[in-house]
Parts: sequence; C-alpha cells; structure tokens
Amino acid sequence: AQTVTQSQPEMSVQEAETVTLSCTYDTSESDYYLFWYKQPPSRQMILVIRQEAYKQQNATENRFSVNFQKAAKSFSLKISDSQLGDAAMYFCAYRSAWRSDSSNYQLIWGAGTKLIIKP
Amino acid sequence: GAGVSQSPSNKVTEKGKDVELRCDPISGHTALYWYRQRLGQGLEFLIYFQGNSAPDKSGLPSDRFSAERTGESVSTLTIQRTQQEDSAVYLCASSLLWGNTEAFFGQGTRLTVV
Repeated sequence: AQTVTQSQPEMSVQEAETVTLSCTYDTSESDYYLFWYKQPPSRQMILVIRQEAYKQQNATENRFSVNFQKAAKSFSLKISDSQLGDAAMYFCAYRSAWRSDSSNYQLIWGAGTKLIIKP
Repeated sequence: GAGVSQSPSNKVTEKGKDVELRCDPISGHTALYWYRQRLGQGLEFLIYFQGNSAPDKSGLPSDRFSAERTGESVSTLTIQRTQQEDSAVYLCASSLLWGNTEAFFGQGTRLTVV
C-alpha cells in the first residue's frame, strides 16, 4: 500500500523569504500523480500544484514550484517570496494512475505541515 | 452548481442524537470522499465511493457511522447516537475517477456535539 509522509508538523518563514516543505512517499508503482493542497483558516482545501510521475520536468505555478525526485520518492514544495496569505496547512497527496489490474484510485494523504508567515 | 456543496455548514446536536450530513458533488464526478478533520489535524479518511464499485468503508470509525451514495449524485453521511468525540469538521470531496485531475472539496460541515 502507498504511504505519504510529511515530516514537518510546522514551519515558519519570514515574509518575502523562501521556504521548502518536504513530502516523501512509498510506492511500488511507476505511474502516479502527486498533489500539494493548501488549507487556509477558512478551511477550504484548494489545489496548489500537481505533478505527473512520468514527467521529468518539475511543475511550477507562479511562486510555487516542486522538486520531484522520483528515485528518492520525494516531492517537496518550494514557496518563493512568501506572503501573509500563504499561511495555511499544506497537504501532500498521492494518487495511482490508471492500471488495467487495479480499480483503486483513492487519494493518499500526508499528515500536513502548518506554515506560519512572520511579518 | 459549480463546486462541491455541503450542508449544513454548521450543526450543533445533543449527545445521543442522530445527524445526517449531505454532500452534493460536482456533476460527472464518479469518485467521492468523506473525511473527518479535528481542529489543527490532518484528514482522517472515512469512506470512498468509486463509480459503481463497492465503496471503501475501511475508514469508518465505528458502526455508528454510515454513508450512502445513489449513483453519481448526492451522498449522505449519517452518524447515529452521536458522542462528544464525533465533534469535528466533516469534509467531502469529489473527482473524476482517474487521471491527474484533482479532488475538489466542499467547505465542510462543522459538527459540535454537546
């Protein structure tokens, strides 16, 4: 079974600085998808960025980028120029790609990292 | 609607009462998830509906919890004989069955058992 580990319960960063949130996962599959979600105090979960495992190029979305190391099974999120609005819980998630011998495409979640932005 | 809708937004109930939480997924989304989230904590998986396949109920914490979904439409999560430890936010999410499309979340139902 797949597992997702976020080893940092809490991280803090000075406004305008860069912070990296770590995520590692365990799987025997070769094709899958990885996601980072953000949950601000409003509790609305929203997608930050996604990565397809077959793509070598790291995904980027404006100030958000990932460092995807497939061999190491690592999927870290880098937030550049941190802003007060980035303060939230961040969750990493894994999802299997389609396989003919499988029927389970459930999302597997990490425990989350609370990101604090210091003004 | 355009997004996942959950109702009610907030529910206060007396210990021992039954409650029913509702989730309206995005139209066409065959996968639907229920999660429980306690204050400051992560997502606790409850149940997963996947198209016409049998649901994965492995996360339901006790037989007081049950969920139903009719086809690809509305889902209801029922908690019988509520206990104070059931107090939490209950989140629903829906997605297409596979692919790199993300899960879309509702705003959640905050349940308080007094």
